[in-house]
Amino acid sequence: QKEVEQNSGPLSVPEGAIASLNCTYSDRGSQSFFWYRQYSGKSPELIMFIYSNGDKEDGRFTAQLNKASQYVSLLIRDSQPSDSATYLCAVISRGGYSSASKIIFGSGTRLSIRP
Amino acid sequence: EADIYQTPRYLVIGTGKKITLECSQTMGHDKMYWYQQDPGMELHLIHYSYGVNSTEKGDLSSESTVSRIRTEHFPLTLESARPSHTSQYLCATRGQLGYEQYFGPGTRLTVT
Repeated sequence: QKEVEQNSGPLSVPEGAIASLNCTYSDRGSQSFFWYRQYSGKSPELIMFIYSNGDKEDGRFTAQLNKASQYVSLLIRDSQPSDSATYLCAVISRGGYSSASKIIFGSGTRLSIRP
Repeated sequence: EADIYQTPRYLVIGTGKKITLECSQTMGHDKMYWYQQDPGMELHLIHYSYGVNSTEKGDLSSESTVSRIRTEHFPLTLESARPSHTSQYLCATRGQLGYEQYFGPGTRLTVT
């Protein structure tokens, strides 16, 4: 079992609809959770982070965290063609490198917004 | 947001050549990372550093080496490039207080 799992997609969503991306993680002690967007051929760009259970909203993006169920999700409202990209979930786990926390990336979900 | 620079952005080089990929940042972040990513594939951590004179190997075995002589500079070197080294190499930093990582634009390496 991978430490951070995402459906690879592609997830196809019509323009204007809500895109829902999901991520599960195996380490129950994980503390911090991130969503990155990566356009083809480009580097990952941080779009959201969440540390506490519940929802966090930023513009059209909402991150949802449920530590009991060990999942984190990203909702994109009013999806635009420019949202078409791969979305990477990342988790800070316990332990890892010496005394520092270890960030673990999922393999990403490819999102396609169709006009 | 961190300012992270990588050079060159694109490099095509022949087998057996020695190459150095440069990564520099202007934010004074102690923690820096190198990732390798093939097109459409996941990120793999190959090296990291928590400060000057501190370097460690990551999860993915790599023939490359790194050095950290100055806080702002974290170069990656391949002594003898091979076609299997063809990939995108991404440098990242992590802030002093936060956990989030910021990525540079990447170097796309092709070894012929």
